[in-house]
Amino acid sequence: DSGVTQTPKHLITATGQRVTLRCSPRSGDLSVYWYQQSLDQGLQFLIQYYNGEERAKGNILERFSAQQFPDLHSELNLSSLELGDSALYFCASSGGQGPYGYTFGSGTRLTVV
Amino acid sequence: AQSVTQLDSQVPVFEEAPVELRCNYSSSVSVYLFWYVQYPNQGLQLLLKYLSGSTLVKGINGFEAEFNKSQTSFHLRKPSVHISDTAEYFCAVSGGFGNEKLTFGTGTRLTIIP
Repeated sequence: DSGVTQTPKHLITATGQRVTLRCSPRSGDLSVYWYQQSLDQGLQFLIQYYNGEERAKGNILERFSAQQFPDLHSELNLSSLELGDSALYFCASSGGQGPYGYTFGSGTRLTVV
Repeated sequence: AQSVTQLDSQVPVFEEAPVELRCNYSSSVSVYLFWYVQYPNQGLQLLLKYLSGSTLVKGINGFEAEFNKSQTSFHLRKPSVHISDTAEYFCAVSGGFGNEKLTFGTGTRLTIIP
């Protein structure tokens, strides 16, 4: 157990729907990162939050949004889902500012049918 | 901008043989380098990292990597592999303070042959 908890582990939904992925960071970690892993794009950085505020944005679609709550857990919202959004979505957390590497959760596998 | 190139998509190796997984990076600023491992149906686990100091970095499970600034490389090595090392290995680069996002390579699938 890495200490980063992601729920749900698996999600199957239809095109056009909206889903919410949840991440609880490791105790004490202030930064949360979201990554998407797909066969054609590999591991892509989506977005980073630090202590409740957006800190960096990557290749995140406009249909996707995220937030970090006061208790530091984070949610990634995916809407108007398309078949191409099927992927493994990882959350990671780190202790603060600095390039020290993250701790990853086990991911949420999203399948859009 | 930063980028990472993993030169081999698949590497088959006999059990107890040595292995080297290659990684080259490109960055216009100071770099911080990482190797992660992903076992089947699992998340990513940090193997080792280079932040500064000694260019030879030792990690978990007997892996080590050498940072070579002149060749912009960060190759991962293990002197003797085991069946349990079968996994996908990712090299990644981070830009440092204020730019902590990781840019990953495309991964190398290491297959251990009994």
